[in-house]
Amino acid sequence: GDSVTQMEGPVTLSEEAFLTINCTYTATGYPSLFWYVQYPGEGLQLLLKATKADDKGSNKGFEATYRKETTSFHLEKGSVQVSDSAVYFCALSDKGGQNFVFGPGTRLSVLP
Amino acid sequence: DTAVSQTPKYLVTQMGNDKSIKCEQNLGHDTMYWYKQDSKKFLKIMFSYNNKELIINETVPNRFSPKSPDKAHLNLHINSLELGDSAVYFCASTLRGGNEQFFGPGTRLTVL
Repeated sequence: GDSVTQMEGPVTLSEEAFLTINCTYTATGYPSLFWYVQYPGEGLQLLLKATKADDKGSNKGFEATYRKETTSFHLEKGSVQVSDSAVYFCALSDKGGQNFVFGPGTRLSVLP
Repeated sequence: DTAVSQTPKYLVTQMGNDKSIKCEQNLGHDTMYWYKQDSKKFLKIMFSYNNKELIINETVPNRFSPKSPDKAHLNLHINSLELGDSAVYFCASTLRGGNEQFFGPGTRLTVL
């Protein structure tokens, strides 16, 4: 079945550092790909998405590019802030929308 | 306006009790989900309903019974609560077709 793998956390960075959180997937066909963010005590919120190969999703300084050849969707941000401290989930959805799969989440802590 | 709402936000109860969590979405979505998030933040899908019909029923104890009175509501009833049921339960909704899911704020269930 479809699956999503993320780098294990926790990830601890200093403010203004560069962030990469790796995500790779296994799926039949061409799924849509998502990054969700969960701030402490809250539900998940969509951060960005990409629906086809080579699409780049971006939001709040975060970016991720849909790479079909490497089945990856790595999340990047050039300069993290303390307010970015959260748990980040990579996810995929098949085109029929019947199968939605989340990765295990990566906790990010940004220190001032 | 709240898009996906859940009640209650916190639920503390004794082992053996029966409890319900309610979920409502006002987004006009046709598919709703229940997820369980453990203490390590791992998200596990439990159920998925499309237009009031069950389409995903992962391996969960039959003490858990979802009920969808209409497309906008998906409630979760849990019988004979056990210590291992302690977790945060999230409701989510989507329009079937590979679009992103919208999450509720979560219900933190603590079984004593």
